[in-house]
Amino acid sequence: AQSVTQLDSQVPVFEEAPVELRCNYSSSVSVYLFWYVQYPNQGLQLLLKYLSGSTLVKSINGFEAEFNKSQTSFHLRKPSVHISDTAEYFCAVSLIYNQGGKLIFGQGTELSVKP
Amino acid sequence: EAGVVQSPRYKIIEKKQPVAFWCNPISGHNTLYWYLQNLGQGPELLIRYENEEAVDDSQLPKDRFSAERLKGVDSTLKIQPAELGDSAVYLCATTEGPLGSYNEQFFGPGTRLTVL
Repeated sequence: AQSVTQLDSQVPVFEEAPVELRCNYSSSVSVYLFWYVQYPNQGLQLLLKYLSGSTLVKSINGFEAEFNKSQTSFHLRKPSVHISDTAEYFCAVSLIYNQGGKLIFGQGTELSVKP
Repeated sequence: EAGVVQSPRYKIIEKKQPVAFWCNPISGHNTLYWYLQNLGQGPELLIRYENEEAVDDSQLPKDRFSAERLKGVDSTLKIQPAELGDSAVYLCATTEGPLGSYNEQFFGPGTRLTVL
């Protein structure tokens, strides 16, 4: 069975500070990795994903995540956060083969950016 | 283009009452998912449709939950009777087919159910 663990349930940070949201996964088979973001009163939106190739993937709004196979991690980072980054962030995996794209989510990390 | 539409956004009912949620997918999206999100948790898959066929309903509590996707477009999720523990957010997501674990899933805003 697969599982995803987000190590921090809440991360408070000041504006313009760097942030790292941690994600570890467990799977006996190869997986795709995703970060979704949920802004208040909105649906989840894909932030970035790792399918193959370069282990460092980036989003259009300055976030990046690095796939580390040996540590089974996919941590999300941003060098300087904005107030507008305040949201809930979910790490997720899906099996490369079969399972039809079923996403297995972590518990979520609430990022709170303070002025 | 409109995103995934869900209604109602909020629903408050008393236990033992029936309730239904509706989802309208993005046009052309063949795959539809219903997820359950408990407070403080990530979403968990309830059922997945490929067009009108339920291809994965292993996580759906079939004694009280049912779902349908007539004509392979809109979908409804029903609970009858509702229990206190069913209070949660019910999310609908869709993606372009065919089966693809790498496809981005587009989520609706969810229906927040409160059972009193």
